[in-house]
Amino acid sequence: QSALTQPASVSGSPGQSITISCTGTSSDLGNYDYVSWYQQHPGKAPKLIIFDVSNRPFGVSKRFSGSKSGNTASLTISGLQAEDEADYYCSSYTTSTTQRFVFGTGTEVTVL
Amino acid sequence: EVQLLESGGGLVQPGESLTLSCAASGFISSSSAMTWVRQVPGRGLEWVSAINDSGAKTYYADSVKGRITISRDNSKNTVYLRLNSPRAEDAGIYFCAKLTRGTVVTPAFDLWGQGTLVTVSS
Repeated sequence: QSALTQPASVSGSPGQSITISCTGTSSDLGNYDYVSWYQQHPGKAPKLIIFDVSNRPFGVSKRFSGSKSGNTASLTISGLQAEDEADYYCSSYTTSTTQRFVFGTGTEVTVL
Repeated sequence: EVQLLESGGGLVQPGESLTLSCAASGFISSSSAMTWVRQVPGRGLEWVSAINDSGAKTYYADSVKGRITISRDNSKNTVYLRLNSPRAEDAGIYFCAKLTRGTVVTPAFDLWGQGTLVTVSS
């Protein structure tokens, strides 16, 4: 099972908006609305920030939003802040093999 | 406090076995599916395995199928991951996490442990 494809890095200035893409296939996010996004700071466990394409868990900032079109899911961070500098991973339900989930390759976000 | 605490990591020789534990506290874990995710330090996340709330259904990544076993003891609020004859590529930080549902459908892992490091070396 190949990982979902994400850009290796994305950067933006404070206050700007950035978007991270996550590309899969019709066997995963293309046909299922079971897509999540995680934020991971160095040395820390990942944190769920979006689930089921566009839902935010309680306590997650409204600056984080998710969407999906075809085989590509996207995470948008609005009003970029220094604390948003972290690695971001998408994840999807998959039916391409007998395994259940697959993660994206990860994107490093830099706040300039 | 709601938390997950992994233990059991360490140095294991190729061919030996190792069992990781994930103890839940502050909530009833028997109502949630659970999962294990691993990460080589400095690299990306890799989904490893999941188990539904009752323990009746288990799922594995293709890369570990046949070599890793997930199980749970709801009376102890604990989930286990047994690594049988681990290879060098099984090394990494193993995180356990709680799913938002009792079934293994959506990859929404809303509570994570701090991780336990597994090193495979002779």
